[in-house]
Amino acid sequence: EVQLVESGGGLVQPGGSLRLSCAASGFTFSSYDMRWVRQSTEKGLEWVSAIGIAGDSYYSDSVKGRFTISRENAKNSLYLQMNSLRAGDTAVYYCARSGSNGMDVWGQGTTVTVSS
Amino acid sequence: EIVMTQTPLSLSVTPGQPASISCKSTQSLLHSDGKTYFYWYLQRPGQSPQLLIYQVSNRFSGVSDRFSGSGSGTDFTLKISRVEAEDVGIYYCMQALQPPLTFGGGTKVEIK
Repeated sequence: EVQLVESGGGLVQPGGSLRLSCAASGFTFSSYDMRWVRQSTEKGLEWVSAIGIAGDSYYSDSVKGRFTISRENAKNSLYLQMNSLRAGDTAVYYCARSGSNGMDVWGQGTTVTVSS
Repeated sequence: EIVMTQTPLSLSVTPGQPASISCKSTQSLLHSDGKTYFYWYLQRPGQSPQLLIYQVSNRFSGVSDRFSGSGSGTDFTLKISRVEAEDVGIYYCMQALQPPLTFGGGTKVEIK
């Protein structure tokens, strides 16, 4: 079964850091671009970051310079290092596989809450 | 940034009746490769979004043929031919023509 499972969310104070992980299974992870998308009540669905099969990375303006996406193909894992967190980063974070047909597989999400 | 605008915000549909959702983008989503990078997703209650339609009109694997997508350029439509209880949720359109990927605000579909 093709599956993505996120972990690492939690409650963090403003200015703090978190590292999200996404474990992939059921497909050849190294052959796919991967993305992080977040969802909040205020902003709805929002693309955060993407990484290509060659490790090229891309970020939304709202997280550029604060978040770092990475992948470890040997572990079938995707990561999102989030630093200098703000209240506006509070959201459910999804990892998603980006295939030829678009973002065709999504994880169940992990919740990040930034609050003092 | 390409802005995606969906209408209506919500729909209440009698089972077995059709439903239609519109999405408009602020610029054409037609790429020079001839493909239109427009998608529809459904987020059922308590679940993550799932892909319904890719590149305007192609149903993703396992998606019921009650769902159909159409449109071109900046105007797109999702139609459900006969709404069923399992179709309840929030429908989102999305463009992937240029970064950042952007989503519509969502259309909530409920059953009467």
